Amino acid sequence: GDSVTQMEGPVTLSEEAFLTINCTYTATGYPSLFWYVQYPGEGLQLLLKATKADDKGSNKGFEATYRKETTSFHLEKGSVQVSDSAVYFCALWRLRADRGSTLGRLYFGRGTQLTVWP
Amino acid sequence: DAGVTQSPTHLIKTRGQQVTLRCSPKSGHDTVSWYQQALGQGPQFIFQYYEEEERQRGNFPDRFSGHQYPNYSSELNVNALLLGDSALYLCASSLLRGPDGYTFGSGTRLTVV
Repeated sequence: GDSVTQMEGPVTLSEEAFLTINCTYTATGYPSLFWYVQYPGEGLQLLLKATKADDKGSNKGFEATYRKETTSFHLEKGSVQVSDSAVYFCALWRLRADRGSTLGRLYFGRGTQLTVWP
Repeated sequence: DAGVTQSPTHLIKTRGQQVTLRCSPKSGHDTVSWYQQALGQGPQFIFQYYEEEERQRGNFPDRFSGHQYPNYSSELNVNALLLGDSALYLCASSLLRGPDGYTFGSGTRLTVV
């Protein structure tokens, strides 16, 4: 079945350091891939997405490339800030047909806690 | 434009009790999905409602049930609460196809004692 595996946390970095959070997936076909971010006490916010192989999603300095050959979608940022401290979730979106409609659901990884120190 | 609203924000219940959580979707959205996020884990899909019917369900027991009203708002009910049901329950709304328009609420923190 569909699943997402994320690197274990927590990740602790100094401000302006380079960030990589690894994400690999197991799925048939070509699901869309997402990174969500969760700040303390808040719900999930979409950070970036990629809908097909070799697509690069980017937002707020974060990037991730959909690699079909390695079934990966690693999150990177060249220079992290204290305000980037949060939990990051990798997720895949699976569509299926149901009674004439197309329904989707997200499969999430376990999340990676990032703490950035000044 | 209000986003997804969930109530209550926090709740403490005793084992064996029943609980109802509520969700008002973002204006214009017609589909509501519920996720359970245990501490230190990623969200797990519970079920999805569209046109007032449960359309998809994750691997959760029948103790978890829901409802969607004509105004698209939704409820999640959990019967016979177990300690393991303690979690953050997230509601997400979207137009049917999602998830580009998926909007999550801030969640309801349920503690079962």
